[in-house]
Amino acid sequence: DGGITQSPKYLFRKEGQNVTLSCEQNLNHDAMYWYRQDPGQGLRLIYYSQIVNDFQKGDIAEGYSVSREKKESFPLTVTSAQKNPTAFYLCASSNNRVGTDTQYFGPGTRLTVL
Amino acid sequence: AQKITQTQPGMFVQEKEAVTLDCTYDTSDPSYGLFWYKQPSSGEMIFLIYQGSYDQQNATEGRYSLNFQKARKSANLVISASQLGDSAMYFCAMREYGNKLVFGAGTILRVKS
Repeated sequence: DGGITQSPKYLFRKEGQNVTLSCEQNLNHDAMYWYRQDPGQGLRLIYYSQIVNDFQKGDIAEGYSVSREKKESFPLTVTSAQKNPTAFYLCASSNNRVGTDTQYFGPGTRLTVL
Repeated sequence: AQKITQTQPGMFVQEKEAVTLDCTYDTSDPSYGLFWYKQPSSGEMIFLIYQGSYDQQNATEGRYSLNFQKARKSANLVISASQLGDSAMYFCAMREYGNKLVFGAGTILRVKS
């Protein structure tokens, strides 16, 4: 089955710790994305990558870092510099060609800072 | 200015009736795409329907249709024959200037039996 997996589903972190959220896809998509969702709000783009070994900042990149060493994987690290990291994090992937570039999402990771 | 505006924070609809969820957008890119996603309480985002800016006809996918009025910059989602399982948050999103999506704030839909 093709799809996007995110792990863990729930993550608890103490203040001052870095944590890494996993995102893997087997859809052979070139592009991958990370979004943040706060309660009752829409999604905001953190980082995106259109090709391996390349990524760009989204609208709210401060306090986050990513890597794209493999086409299938796009991990997100929430660093201690992120002032309010408690949120729901969604990973997505898509083709890069207009008209077939629908983004498909993983099930999400809910991060809580204690 | 908001790129995507969803003016209805919440909507109720009776089971088996049709409902329209509003979405207006703002862009100067002549080539853009409009998407609707459903987010049930589990949290995952489910893709429903897509409309390209150059598409001549309104998109349809089963019970979902998109009422695309380009001059008014609106892309309303119409759900026909509502079912209890349609209760969820619905997001309108726009792709412009590359692959990035901009999302609206969402509309909560509750289907009543």
